[in-house]
Amino acid sequence: NAGVTQTPKFQVLKTGQSMTLQCAQDMNHNSMYWYRQDPGMGLRLIYYSASEGTTDKGEVPNGYNVSRLNKREFSLRLESAAPSQTSVYFCASSWGRDTGELFFGEGSRLTVL
Amino acid sequence: DQQVKQNSPSLSVQEGRISILNCDYTNSMFDYFLWYKKYPAEGPTFLISISSIKDKNEDGRFTVFLNKSAKHLSLHIVPSQPGDSAVYFCAATTGTASKLTFGTGTRLQVTL
Repeated sequence: NAGVTQTPKFQVLKTGQSMTLQCAQDMNHNSMYWYRQDPGMGLRLIYYSASEGTTDKGEVPNGYNVSRLNKREFSLRLESAAPSQTSVYFCASSWGRDTGELFFGEGSRLTVL
Repeated sequence: DQQVKQNSPSLSVQEGRISILNCDYTNSMFDYFLWYKKYPAEGPTFLISISSIKDKNEDGRFTVFLNKSAKHLSLHIVPSQPGDSAVYFCAATTGTASKLTFGTGTRLQVTL
């Protein structure tokens, strides 16, 4: 079982470039999430999608956009990357009815120069 | 303002001994607490959880204790094994996964 798959795993961008992080889950989960992890900051929620067709801002949404393409896929787009967006990004999914058991992907390490 | 705090960035424990990881929170509205475990180059994985109506939850070698009056929870691992070496994140929510707030993590190293 693949679970939650993220691509790419590594990416280096220059300031101002754009890119999209892709995420897909095969567990038929209703909800999907994008987090970023920075040293000393824990995991912070960027955006989430409670169900297909809906998206909502999390704690740190500025500079990002998301698309819930279908029930399986949830993408994160950086329109104009900034060095402050250098981070490890995690996609996660859940049934949406529960109280916090998330299934995470392996992460995508993004460096913005 | 960090609502969920893990004040110990790292912890080293000998194999076979007890590991105790601590977590403090400030939001009295949190009603569900979780621990996640993370190995390098992998995503976090759910370990154990506890509802605010309980003060203890046990799953094999892992036990989570909740002290609501002190706004404190702890994860006990007994006995500790080398494979437990990882970063442990405490998390709390007011009821939905979309409201999950994570701590900064504690790196546990279990030595032989």
